[in-house]
Amino acid sequence: DAEITQSPRHKITETGRQVTLACHQTWNHNNMFWYRQDLGHGLRLIHYSYGVQDTNKGEVSDGYSVSRSNTEDLPLTLESAASSQTSVYFCASSERTSDTQYFGPGTRLTVL
Amino acid sequence: RKEVEQDPGPFNVPEGATVAFNCTYSNSASQSFFWYRQDCRKEPKLLMSVYSSGNEDGRFTAQLNRASQYISLLIRDSKLSDSATYLCVVNQGGGTSYGKLTFGQGTILTVHP
Repeated sequence: DAEITQSPRHKITETGRQVTLACHQTWNHNNMFWYRQDLGHGLRLIHYSYGVQDTNKGEVSDGYSVSRSNTEDLPLTLESAASSQTSVYFCASSERTSDTQYFGPGTRLTVL
Repeated sequence: RKEVEQDPGPFNVPEGATVAFNCTYSNSASQSFFWYRQDCRKEPKLLMSVYSSGNEDGRFTAQLNRASQYISLLIRDSKLSDSATYLCVVNQGGGTSYGKLTFGQGTILTVHP
């Protein structure tokens, strides 16, 4: 069955380190998204991509980057982790002209 | 004003009760509307899309009022398994802004025996 996976599921890191969160989908969806979820804020869009080599900034993109070298993967990199980036991160994907998104299981990141 | 606003609850209802959630959105150009369900520490999952004509899926009914920029979700005959956070989700863009969704903070529902 097609699916969307994230790894690692849990990560503890230190302030200043570079961290990369993986997202992989097997639906062959063109669109992929990264969100963070924090108490009091709901889900907020970090970056998104509408296809290979396409990336766009979302609402809370500062301190994050993404690259899209193939259809299946959209890794999220925290260039220099900060305590404010402690959060739960969700990856999602959708078909090219659809707003219906399917979410991965999430990555719980703690920055000490 | 928040772009998508929901009453956070929590709503605590007995099994069998009917419960309604409301949501307002700020951008009148919004194109697509959804309700997602999120269980504790899990990913959001699509519950249903919301159409102008209203739509029903079993015990769940969703309504959209474009004039008032208002979305609702009605759950009839609540089950224990309905306990979750319900997220109101809106695409406030148009044209080619597929997937640029704005999420409400969610409404917490607890159904008790």
